[in-house]
Amino acid sequence: DIVMTQSPLSLPVTPGEPASISCRSSQSVLHSDGNNYLDWYLQKPGQSPHLLIYFGSNRASGVPDRFTGSGSGTDFTLKISKVEAEDVGVYYCMQALQTPYTFGQGTKLEIK
Amino acid sequence: QVQLQESGPGLVKPSETLSLTCSVSGGSVTDFFWSWIRQPPGKGLEWIAYVASGGRTIYGPSLKSRVTISLDASKNQFSLRLDSVTAADTAVYYCARTLYIGSLDTWGQGAVVIVSS
Repeated sequence: DIVMTQSPLSLPVTPGEPASISCRSSQSVLHSDGNNYLDWYLQKPGQSPHLLIYFGSNRASGVPDRFTGSGSGTDFTLKISKVEAEDVGVYYCMQALQTPYTFGQGTKLEIK
Repeated sequence: QVQLQESGPGLVKPSETLSLTCSVSGGSVTDFFWSWIRQPPGKGLEWIAYVASGGRTIYGPSLKSRVTISLDASKNQFSLRLDSVTAADTAVYYCARTLYIGSLDTWGQGAVVIVSS
């Protein structure tokens, strides 16, 4: 199985400030089709997770442009340009290159 | 807009079988794949399996010996069956639409299942 490792696990952020979450995979998730099969999800308190980013850098429908995904191969980053109160929750990366799909441990973003 | 809704018993006795159904509206289960994911209390997400139209299934290794996932196109729903449950199977179980690229683009609200006598 591909192991996904996120850091940090806890991220206190002041509103209006940027935030960054790292995700590393135990093996490359770059497919021969040129896409990185790496997603980012946000689980807001008391809610189901929802898709933010797919293919490492493509925003899902309706996702604000303050969210940016980057990286390739085994190293990925999710950046929030200016954190808003509604961004609190747990962020997960997930690899979809091969089954079983595997998630990172989650990064809990909280407002200072 | 596709919506998913899990249903099933919230309490299951140890050694018995957990059964959940995911009803799909606003879309057809004959399109895309359909996954089950679970989240133990206070913990992270674990992908369990997915099913495609035609009955093709892919299972994760950790539960493969105990889990069965199936799809009923006539009812536009898919199901999860987990045998011989223990307290470790206590979790919120989510169903999700799974795009052909693997992304889980639509999730149900989740079903809380507690394994206890």
